[in-house]
Amino acid sequence: AQSVTQPDIHITVSEGASLELRCNYSYGATPYLFWYVQSPGQGLQLLLKYFSGDTLVQGIKGFEAEFKRSQSSFNLRKPSVHWSDAAEYFCAVGKAAGNKLTFGGGTRVLVKP
Amino acid sequence: GAVVSQHPSWVICKSGTSVKIECRSLDFQATTMFWYRQFPKQSLMLMATSNEGSKATYEQGVEKDKFLINHASLTLSTLTVTSAHPEDSSFYICSARWSSGGSRGDTQYFGPGTRLTVL
Repeated sequence: AQSVTQPDIHITVSEGASLELRCNYSYGATPYLFWYVQSPGQGLQLLLKYFSGDTLVQGIKGFEAEFKRSQSSFNLRKPSVHWSDAAEYFCAVGKAAGNKLTFGGGTRVLVKP
Repeated sequence: GAVVSQHPSWVICKSGTSVKIECRSLDFQATTMFWYRQFPKQSLMLMATSNEGSKATYEQGVEKDKFLINHASLTLSTLTVTSAHPEDSSFYICSARWSSGGSRGDTQYFGPGTRLTVL
């Protein structure tokens, strides 16, 4: 069975500092990997996705993620955080792009002024 | 981009009543939609997969008689919580599968969610 682990429940970062959110997955085949962001009381917005090809994926809002098969990881990064990046971030894995997703527990990001 | 809406955005109901939540893909057709449930400060858990014109596929542990799903058209899926109880209070989120038709594959787009409170 597929699973996703986000080791960090909370992360606090200063505005302008860099951010890295960790995601580890367990899946028997080549995974389809996603990062979503959820603002309070809102649905999920897709930041980026990885299916194949270049292991460094660029997304919206200045985010990027790197797929490392050897480490079963798909970490999300942003070089300089803005106050509007404060939200909950979810990593997800699926068998295929449009198939049902298994989500990690989420990481709540707080941004200090 | 692809837009998915949900209605209502929030609902409060009395215990024992039924509540219907709608999920619509506004600018694309979705043969497949998914229903998730999210408890406060927790992750999303898939409840069921809704396929247009056929019965929904429920995840293990989800009561199909309690959570009725209907996907009558390519742009609308509904989730009805029957005989709701306080423990059904949660944030319900739907997603719709968008097929790009290209090499990049399909993508799920999520609705804004519906907060259900059962008194």
